[in-house]
Amino acid sequence: ETGVTQTPRHLVMGMTNKKSLKCEQHLGHNAMYWYKQSAKKPLELMFVYNFKEQTENNSVPSRFSPECPNSSHLFLHLHTLQPEDSALYLCASSRGQPGNTIYFGEGSWLTVV
Amino acid sequence: AQSVTQLDSHVSVSEGTPVLLRCNYSSSYSPSLFWYVQHPNKGLQLLLKYTSAATLVKGINGFEAEFKKSETSFHLTKPSAHMSDAAEYFCVVSDRRGSYIPTFGRGTSLIVHP
Repeated sequence: ETGVTQTPRHLVMGMTNKKSLKCEQHLGHNAMYWYKQSAKKPLELMFVYNFKEQTENNSVPSRFSPECPNSSHLFLHLHTLQPEDSALYLCASSRGQPGNTIYFGEGSWLTVV
Repeated sequence: AQSVTQLDSHVSVSEGTPVLLRCNYSSSYSPSLFWYVQHPNKGLQLLLKYTSAATLVKGINGFEAEFKKSETSFHLTKPSAHMSDAAEYFCVVSDRRGSYIPTFGRGTSLIVHP
């Protein structure tokens, strides 16, 4: 248990569906991250929030929409996804200071059909 | 600027033999360095971290890593591999005076043969 909880753990959705991934951290951290991990590819940073403000958007398609209502919660809203978006989506958090340790959740497996 | 290179995409060892996973880094400032492990269908778990104290860092499950500034390396070692060590390993760098967003290596897949 790392203190970062992701739900759901598995999600299957059609290309016309709208769904959301949720992440909650209980570590008192200020920064939260979304990463995408596809088979045979390096870990891809998608979005970063620090003190609820988005500080990084790594050229992610608009069909992915993040939301950070407070420092403990992070959402990834999904709509009109493509099959190539099928991947493991990892949420992480840190104190938001240089050199800090980053802690990961168990991930949400997304399959787009 | 910070970057990290994991020199091997795959490492294959026999159970009971030593493990060496290689990582070189680049950092404009004093770096914090980390190793994470990811078992199949799991998130990334912190194995160990270096933050400027002792250069030899001990982590969980018998792993350790040595910070060598002159070689800009932070290699991960274990004296004797166990079947349960089979996983993906990530080396990570974070400048302690730069961006708080860490940089991940591409990962090394450790295969352990019985």
